[in-house]
Amino acid sequence: GQQVMQIPQYQHVQEGEDFTTYCNSSTTLSNIQWYKQRPGGHPVFLIQLVKSGEVKKQKRLTFQFGEAKKNSSLHITATQTTDVGTYFCAGSGSSNTGKLIFGQGTTLQVKP
Amino acid sequence: GAGVSQSPRYKVAKRGQDVALRCDPISGHVSLFWYQQALGQGPEFLTYFQNEAQLDKSGLPSDRFFAERPEGSVSTLKIQRTQQEDSAVYLCASSIRTGRTEAFFGQGTRLTVV
Repeated sequence: GQQVMQIPQYQHVQEGEDFTTYCNSSTTLSNIQWYKQRPGGHPVFLIQLVKSGEVKKQKRLTFQFGEAKKNSSLHITATQTTDVGTYFCAGSGSSNTGKLIFGQGTTLQVKP
Repeated sequence: GAGVSQSPRYKVAKRGQDVALRCDPISGHVSLFWYQQALGQGPEFLTYFQNEAQLDKSGLPSDRFFAERPEGSVSTLKIQRTQQEDSAVYLCASSIRTGRTEAFFGQGTRLTVV
């Protein structure tokens, strides 16, 4: 079945350093979404990418969707302590129900 | 309420006990999903409803798991004869329509089977 792999599993950075997490799917995705989950919290939607090669920015966050629609990345510039949490990518296949296949997540720790 | 509401927030069940977890989605949301999240893992899909119709239950791990959404709003996930491996956080999410759109997650129910 469809699998979504995410690396790294953990990342510790000094405040002000950059951070990147990578997501790879075993199959072509119709779209990819990114969620953030704070410790003890629930996943919160960040963004959705639909088009091949799409790049979207939200302040210090940059999201990319690969040309083959099988990989994606999230890059945070100049991390802050408020960026702490686990970042999940989640892909949709062709069923168009909105069912999401989540990666394992990357947990970001930021040292002040 | 403004968001997806789940109850109870925490549930401790003895092995073999039946449990029922409730999800109250955002009013008017057509799609409703249940996910299971083990510690340190990403959410895993369990089942999907479009209004009252359960269109995908491919993620339910066994026939001990049953979900319903009889009137197309509130949903209940029932687990019969709970086992220790059922211990996880059960997340409910709703979306305003079907297809590629933002999912709003509830706070989850943390189930511990002892």
